[in-house]
Amino acid sequence: QVQLQESGPGLVKPSETLSLTCTVSGGSITYYYWTWIRQPPGKGLEWIGYVSYSGSTSYNPSLKSRLTISPDTSKNQFSLRLSSVTAADTAVYYCARVSTYYFDLWGRGTLVTVSS
Amino acid sequence: EIVLTQSPATLSLSPGVRATLSCRASQSVSSDLAWYQQKPGQAPRLLIYDANNRVTDIPARFRGSGSGTDFTLTISSLEPEDFAVYYCQQRSNWPLTFGGGTKVEIK
Repeated sequence: QVQLQESGPGLVKPSETLSLTCTVSGGSITYYYWTWIRQPPGKGLEWIGYVSYSGSTSYNPSLKSRLTISPDTSKNQFSLRLSSVTAADTAVYYCARVSTYYFDLWGRGTLVTVSS
Repeated sequence: EIVLTQSPATLSLSPGVRATLSCRASQSVSSDLAWYQQKPGQAPRLLIYDANNRVTDIPARFRGSGSGTDFTLTISSLEPEDFAVYYCQQRSNWPLTFGGGTKVEIK
């Protein structure tokens, strides 16, 4: 079955760029859209944006100026880059599969802390 | 942006009783609403989509209803594994948004 796994640094310094990768196994990213969602500690969920295998994207306007989501079909992965981070970007970051604009499969999530 | 308001924030109930969770949208989302369950330390899990369709393998005690701006998730008889946080999410307008969540805790 399809599984998703997030990877990347758990600690990022303020003003730097947060970079995460989601590896999809058991299925190809050439079907569906793929998304990032985050959850600050003890808080609710925030949709970040999604990407297709061809690179078409949709971003949350609140993050759009700092955000890049891109696919890597050769590795069956997609990635997130969020620039100029602050403490407010500290969260568990989830990657997920988009099915008719709902999120039907999720990774386990990875905690990213922004701190010097 | 469509704001989803969930109520109550916390529901304290005993196993075996009915749970009724509410999600209200700031403008109509038609039936473009989903419900997710999240247990501590886990990712959310999709339960209901298009307001009232259960995902495969989700027990029949979970029922979604509503349309427009008012939606309800009903758990007919709480099982121990149902105590969790529940989120609604709309896909009607961009950006996609979630409600703030309702925690169902054991009384």
